[in-house]
Amino acid sequence: DAGVIQSPRHEVTEMGQEVTLRCKPISGHDYLFWYRQTMMRGLELLIYFNNNVPIDDSGMPEDRFSAKMPNASFSTLKIQPSEPRDSAVYFCASSLGQGKNTQYFGPGTRLTVL
Amino acid sequence: GDSVTQMEGPVTLSEEAFLTINCTYTATGYPSLFWYVQYPGEGLQLLLKATKADDKGSNKGFEATYRKETTSFHLEKGSVQVSDSAVYFCALSLGAGGTSYGKLTFGQGTILTVHP
Repeated sequence: DAGVIQSPRHEVTEMGQEVTLRCKPISGHDYLFWYRQTMMRGLELLIYFNNNVPIDDSGMPEDRFSAKMPNASFSTLKIQPSEPRDSAVYFCASSLGQGKNTQYFGPGTRLTVL
Repeated sequence: GDSVTQMEGPVTLSEEAFLTINCTYTATGYPSLFWYVQYPGEGLQLLLKATKADDKGSNKGFEATYRKETTSFHLEKGSVQVSDSAVYFCALSLGAGGTSYGKLTFGQGTILTVHP
């Protein structure tokens, strides 16, 4: 299995631009998670989906952030407009079945907003 | 709410030294407990897990025992190697019920550096 795939691996953009991060979960997994990692705040869960439906988006920091999962094999996290404080590593993870099961993480997207 | 507290880092050890990274948790239910490892420039990988009290998770020489009475899940390794240098995260996940279902709650991470 290819594991969780994220693209791009690195993104550098200017403040005010729209940024779209992409994730392909492991085939057959029914949970998908978006996390943000920074030195100051550590790992934060932004949003997660079950069977393509958003279950909990309480971690999404502002209306500038949005996430979609149009089908079981693809999800996007969009930031519009981006700000320098959004600079972080964004991870996507997926898991199969119930909440106690293992989450498998992608390699992350390192976002730098200038 | 649910939370995980890890030993403050960074931790610096010489090769072949004994490692302990403390982890305690607070949870409203009966969580599963995990240790994840993050190598430089990579995503998190599951190191080991335990799903009920007194279970011991083990992998690659690392061990952790689920202690319900002390709400702890300390990570140990008898002899560390340079290749173990990474960031280690303790985490919990609750079972069915409520908005916490399916979520991982992470500790802040502990940086481990092992010198030759």
